[in-house]
Amino acid sequence: DAGITQSPRHKVTETGTPVTLRCHQTENHRYMYWYRQDPGHGLRLIHYSYGVKDTDKGEVSDGYSVSRSKTEDFLLTLESATSSQTSVYFCAISELAGGTDTQYFGPGTRLTVL
Amino acid sequence: AQKITQTQPGMFVQEKEAVTLDCTYDTSDPSYGLFWYKQPSSGEMIFLIYQGSYDQQNATEGRYSLNFQKARKSANLVISASQLGDSAMYFCAMRERNTGGFKTIFGAGTRLFVKA
Repeated sequence: DAGITQSPRHKVTETGTPVTLRCHQTENHRYMYWYRQDPGHGLRLIHYSYGVKDTDKGEVSDGYSVSRSKTEDFLLTLESATSSQTSVYFCAISELAGGTDTQYFGPGTRLTVL
Repeated sequence: AQKITQTQPGMFVQEKEAVTLDCTYDTSDPSYGLFWYKQPSSGEMIFLIYQGSYDQQNATEGRYSLNFQKARKSANLVISASQLGDSAMYFCAMRERNTGGFKTIFGAGTRLFVKA
């Protein structure tokens, strides 16, 4: 158990509303990631963080922003949700341990934008 | 160009038989990692096995082994003695260096069905 929680686990919202998803970890891992999972695409990286206040874009970052003010929390914000952002969102953490940098995932958040 | 390719959208295997799930990758980073994850119908992503680009031997974890052929850029997952609980989506992933650290790229997945 990597000690990762995501909240909320399910959310239904309307187009144009702001949405914030939270990822919380209990083990002080340095790296945190946000992915989205869509049929036929596997997981695609949205943003990641390599430390407090240190973030970078992934391959599908448009329409998303992130913040990491504490080691344990990584927030993903959809400033104005669109139907194309309906997806399952996964948070992941990793720490360079023995060079494996294995990522461990949270349980996921299912977001529906109507 | 796809960095991670899983050419088998779906696979069937008889219970107790072995099955190979294919994965090919593309990177110019000499130091990279390869991973396999399992996603059962409940939705969680479960880490199965890791192979480093400099590892001389194929990785093994219980019934899982990774057939690493570096020159061919393939990292196939072999599941021995399949069980009904192995029915799931399986994702191959590659970690490579990027600004600020590392980036992991996932394939589209292979859905495995284990028949009784």
